[in-house]
Amino acid sequence: DIQMTQSPSSLSAYVGDRVTITCRASQSISSYLNWYQQKPGKAPKLLIYAASSLESGVPARFSGSGSGTDFTLTISSLQPEDFATYYCQQSYSTPLFTFGPGTKVDIK
Amino acid sequence: QVTLKESGPVLVKPTETLTLTCTVSGFSLTNVRMSVSWIRQPPGKALEWLAHIFSNDEKSYSTSLKSRLTISKDTSKSQVVLTMTNMDPVDTATYYCARMDILSGKYSLWGQGTRVTVSS
Repeated sequence: DIQMTQSPSSLSAYVGDRVTITCRASQSISSYLNWYQQKPGKAPKLLIYAASSLESGVPARFSGSGSGTDFTLTISSLQPEDFATYYCQQSYSTPLFTFGPGTKVDIK
Repeated sequence: QVTLKESGPVLVKPTETLTLTCTVSGFSLTNVRMSVSWIRQPPGKALEWLAHIFSNDEKSYSTSLKSRLTISKDTSKSQVVLTMTNMDPVDTATYYCARMDILSGKYSLWGQGTRVTVSS
């Protein structure tokens, strides 16, 4: 099975900061990588799919990059509503899918 | 309106079998471009993918939980059902169903989740 790791596991940042989260796959997954945002008590929300495509309705301050085994999610200017936990998910090894362990972003 | 909604028991006892239902609306479970997964999240922990079913009824399961899981669908009722046998307190979690868009592999639509507690 493909394993996903994320770093850091948590971070503290100020409003307005540029934030970068990394996701790594245990083997190459091409660009089959998606990013989700989850707030407490809510279902995850899709932000980025296919490594770098912005889901409709998601603010442009979110961006994704990478291919193969290494991927990043960047928030260009952190907003108060962005404090949440972020998960990556691979869909390369269909029909087996895997989520990363998550990165919690909170207020500094 | 396109939605998914989970339903099932709030409380189950250890060793019992859990049955959860995901009722979908606004799309068909026969649509070849879409499929449905079950995903769970223990309190304070990460998302864990459990099982998946495609429009052609192909199924897949988490390697670690495969022996305990069964996923099925009833297209006439627009429902996807997950059963998990031999429940344990560590299975306490919020269980989500989510729709996957096949071409992109993205979960574009999620249910609200249903909280299940395993306790005697």
